[in-house]
This record gives sequence, structure tokens and C-alpha cells, in this order.
Amino acid sequence: NAGVMQNPRHLVRRRGQEARLRCSPMKGHSHVYWYRQLPEEGLKFMVYLQKENIIDESGMPKERFSAEFPKEGPSILRIQQVVRGDSAAYFCASSPPPQGYVDTQYFGPGTRLTVL
Amino acid sequence: AQTVTQSQPEMSVQEAETVTLSCTYDTSESNYYLFWYKQPPSRQMILVIRQEAYKQQNATENRFSVNFQKAAKSFSLKISDSQLGDTAMYFCAFGKRQGAQKLVFGQGTRLTINP
Repeated sequence: NAGVMQNPRHLVRRRGQEARLRCSPMKGHSHVYWYRQLPEEGLKFMVYLQKENIIDESGMPKERFSAEFPKEGPSILRIQQVVRGDSAAYFCASSPPPQGYVDTQYFGPGTRLTVL
Repeated sequence: AQTVTQSQPEMSVQEAETVTLSCTYDTSESNYYLFWYKQPPSRQMILVIRQEAYKQQNATENRFSVNFQKAAKSFSLKISDSQLGDTAMYFCAFGKRQGAQKLVFGQGTRLTINP
């Protein structure tokens, strides 16, 4: 059973460009979470999605950031007009459908975004 | 809102020693989960151990065990017979049992195992 896959592993963008980060959850997992890790800090929650639905986006910056998890294909975290402060590691995690309780989240290897 | 605090930014022990990493949290929830994740230099986040708050028995996974003190809101990780491969950042995390599924992470403890 393949783990959570993220690509690219490293992404370099110039200020003002767009960044697209992809996440394929583990087989059988229908819930995806995105977290951001700034240097020397813990992970901070950004958004929680199910197929075709955003469940909780309370951690997403109000502008330039968006996320989707279509019926087919990977989840996408999109950052428009990137700035240097967006440089961070972005982690995706997945879990099976929670049946009334929190289930363990399994993390991908992360995408390290560098904005020049 | 929940908060998680790890008060030890760095720790260092000799191989084969036992080490305990501290974590405290603040919540008004009564049902929740607590986790320890390991992040080695590869930066992959790896689940080490998980504790359900409604269970009084402390979770154990081989050399890893926790000391869960619900009243004190404390959740420490003990690593016995430490190995070089245990060198990593360790993050404590909190998850509500129902409702929002997001995890709240502490700032992390950098653990170094010396040969």
C-alpha cells in the first residue's frame, strides 16, 4: 500500500509566480489535510478537504491560497503570486473517513517551496 | 482553542540511554487524541505513538512509551535504549475526537543521540 505521495519534492519559484503542490492520499483514504512548516517551527494546519468539499479552511491565508480535492485526481494546493514569506515545507496528510472519531493522519514527504 | 507546548528545544543523550521528552497542552475538550510524530533529517513525518484521552492506560510501542497525565494535561514521550536512528525532531500533537480534524502541533524538540 503506497503511502501519501507529494510532488514535486522541491519547487523553486520567483516572486509573483504561481506554485501548485500536489498530494495523492493513501489508497482508501478520502480525507486530506494540508499543513505548512516554517523553518525551525512546528506544523501549522491550513485546510482539511474531502472529495469535492472543503471542510475546514480556518488555517488558510485569506488571499492567494486555495485548495481543492476533485473527484478524480490528487489534491492541489495553489499559491498565487508567491512572496518570499511563502517559502516553507508544505505537508499533506491523509486519513480514512473518520467514523465519529479522529483517525490517525499519515503524512507525505512534503514539498519544499523556495521563493527567490 | 487548543495549544501544545514543548518546553525543551533541544536534548542530547548517549546511545542506549533513556530519554524523556515533555509536552503539555491546553484544551477544554474532554475527548481527544494525542500523538508523537518524529521528523528525521529526511523531513518525513512519521507517527511514533498515539494515545486516546479516554484510555487511562499509557500507550506503548516497542521502545517508545508515554506518560499521560490527563488532569495535569501532560503527555511525555519516553524512549528506552535510544539508538542513533532516533535522532530527529519530535513533535507532540493534539487532535479533537469529534468535529474539526486538524492537528495542533507543538514547536518540536530536537533530539540527538550520540554514539
